[in-house]
Amino acid sequence: GAVVSQHPSRVICKSGTSVKIECRSLDFQATTMFWYRQFPKQSLMLMATSNEGSKATYEQGVEKDKFLINHASLTLSTLTVTSAHPEDSSFYICSASGGNGYTFGSGTRLTVV
Amino acid sequence: QKEVEQDPGPLSVPEGAIVSLNCTYSNSAFQYFMWYRQYSRKGPELLMYTYSSGNKEDGRFTAQVDKSSKYISLFIRDSQPSDSATYLCAMSVSSGSARQLTFGSGTQLTVLP
Repeated sequence: GAVVSQHPSRVICKSGTSVKIECRSLDFQATTMFWYRQFPKQSLMLMATSNEGSKATYEQGVEKDKFLINHASLTLSTLTVTSAHPEDSSFYICSASGGNGYTFGSGTRLTVV
Repeated sequence: QKEVEQDPGPLSVPEGAIVSLNCTYSNSAFQYFMWYRQYSRKGPELLMYTYSSGNKEDGRFTAQVDKSSKYISLFIRDSQPSDSATYLCAMSVSSGSARQLTFGSGTQLTVLP
């Protein structure tokens, strides 16, 4: 089946640094990539939608200059959390649309100290 | 009021029990309904997908949709400890590859051996 590889699975960084999260579709072309954020015991909240070669569309309240999304190819999308702060600590999940439908990555646990 | 309401639980049942998980929604434009299973610190995986009112069965899982009542359910028969996870309902207006999903908050299920 379709697989989306998300890395890293866990990252701890210092406040003020930037962190890049990668999602790769391994056996299909991801025409659309969705990035979600999930707080403990809460649902997935859509942050942005990106189409290959286009600028991402951000949800209301999500700072596009803080959460940089690049979807330069049909198999790779990246989310960069710039100047991370402790309140950015969360579980970030990507989801790729293509192939058999929707496939989620395994998530990245970001902790900013 | 949230577009999708889901009882967060936690729900604890003995092995072999029948589990009933439910979501209600307010947006009558939702036409496509999904159930995802999410293990701790992992991305969601699709369990069931349906777009019509009625029942859809897949092994031990049955998805039920009642569009007139704006109510969907997931039934798990002969529950197993391996079914312990968080179950998320999700809905969308369209079925296209760029469709956005609206998620419930998830129900945490524990099946006791």
